[in-house]
Amino acid sequence: GEDVEQSLFLSVREGDSSVINCTYTDSSSTYLYWYKQEPGAGLQLLTYIFSNMDMKQDQRLTVLLNKKDKHLSLRIADTQTGDSAIYFCAEGLSGGYNKLIFGAGTRLAVHP
Amino acid sequence: KAGVTQTPRYLIKTRGQQVTLSCSPISGHRSVSWYQQTPGQGLQFLFEYFSETQRNKGNFPGRFSGRQFSNSRSEMNVSTLELGDSALYLCASSNDGGLNTEAFFGQGTRLTVV
Repeated sequence: GEDVEQSLFLSVREGDSSVINCTYTDSSSTYLYWYKQEPGAGLQLLTYIFSNMDMKQDQRLTVLLNKKDKHLSLRIADTQTGDSAIYFCAEGLSGGYNKLIFGAGTRLAVHP
Repeated sequence: KAGVTQTPRYLIKTRGQQVTLSCSPISGHRSVSWYQQTPGQGLQFLFEYFSETQRNKGNFPGRFSGRQFSNSRSEMNVSTLELGDSALYLCASSNDGGLNTEAFFGQGTRLTVV
């Protein structure tokens, strides 16, 4: 079946690294995505990784993919207060015609 | 270039009415997907259109429908509104290459049914 799970809450100190984890069930995923949502706003695409990759780095963001365990993580280096938001993991399925399956979202709180 | 534009941003409707929401994708993008976001159910896929054809549909009742025009703009319609239809409706635009690629979302339309 199609299911994506994330922990619901993460609290970090400003300047530390944040790691948000996600697990998915469908092995036919082609792309895996991380989106950010701030209060009252839509979804902002942060980064994505193709399913045949292990890692992708984009400035402060590092995505790690363990396809065997169906585990995805997003690491934010030097976390800032502006990073406080809800982060959604999503999987795109092979043949899914751009249908994305989203996790429930992880609320990241950054405190001084 | 301009992002995904959804109109209106906010809408209040009465139970039993119908509503039409609009989405203009990024110029050159031909795929438009719609999602419903609620606190209880999270983000759920409604349907996806490409070149005026619905290619995929989520698990929603027939009261939810959509269409896409030749300029790729899309509309979704909800008839006989229920209180539970109150949600943020998001559309996503993709430059579809036959596989899942980057999907860019609009700001959403917040629908409140009273």
